[in-house]
Amino acid sequence: QKEVEQNSGPLSVPEGAIASLNCTYSDRGSQSFFWYRQYSGKSPELIMFIYSNGDKEDGRFTAQLNKASQYVSLLIRDSQPSDSATYLCAVRKGLTGGGNKLTFGTGTQLKVEL
Amino acid sequence: NAGVMQNPRHLVRRRGQEARLRCSPMKGHSHVYWYRQLPEEGLKFMVYLQKENIIDESGMPKERFSAEFPKEGPSILRIQQVVRGDSAAYFCASSLGTQETQYFGPGTRLLVL
Repeated sequence: QKEVEQNSGPLSVPEGAIASLNCTYSDRGSQSFFWYRQYSGKSPELIMFIYSNGDKEDGRFTAQLNKASQYVSLLIRDSQPSDSATYLCAVRKGLTGGGNKLTFGTGTQLKVEL
Repeated sequence: NAGVMQNPRHLVRRRGQEARLRCSPMKGHSHVYWYRQLPEEGLKFMVYLQKENIIDESGMPKERFSAEFPKEGPSILRIQQVVRGDSAAYFCASSLGTQETQYFGPGTRLLVL
């Protein structure tokens, strides 16, 4: 079982729709959760991070965390063609768990169609 | 630009040569991380360093790879006797402190012929 799992996609949504990206993780010691966006040939760019159960909103983006289900998601409202990219989910253990490193999923490719 | 800087951006080496990748962290950041992204694969952690210390090298291959972050100057990821399987994008990230957010540099794309 992979530590961090994402559906590779591609996930296609029409412009203006809500895109829902999902991620599950296997280590219950994970404490911090991150979403990075990566355009083809570019470096990962931090979109959001979340530490506590529940929702966290930032503009068009909402991160959702459910530690009991070991599930984290990213919602993108009013999707734009410029949102087309690969979205990487990353988790980090707590300091006592030996973790400063990020463990990444393989990413979900999002395509926003006109 | 106060972001993470990496150079070179592209590096071509022949099998058996050495590759040196450099990373300058964001201003004020003293924690550096190296990740590797193989074609069609996710980012994999390699090593975590603070100034003059290797903190976690659990993701480093046992042979040919080494990393340093000297008191002065950039962090260096060194790959000796490169093989074709080393062809990948190597990303450096930095953070302000332990458990802080990591910000990525533009990466070095290594091609081994």
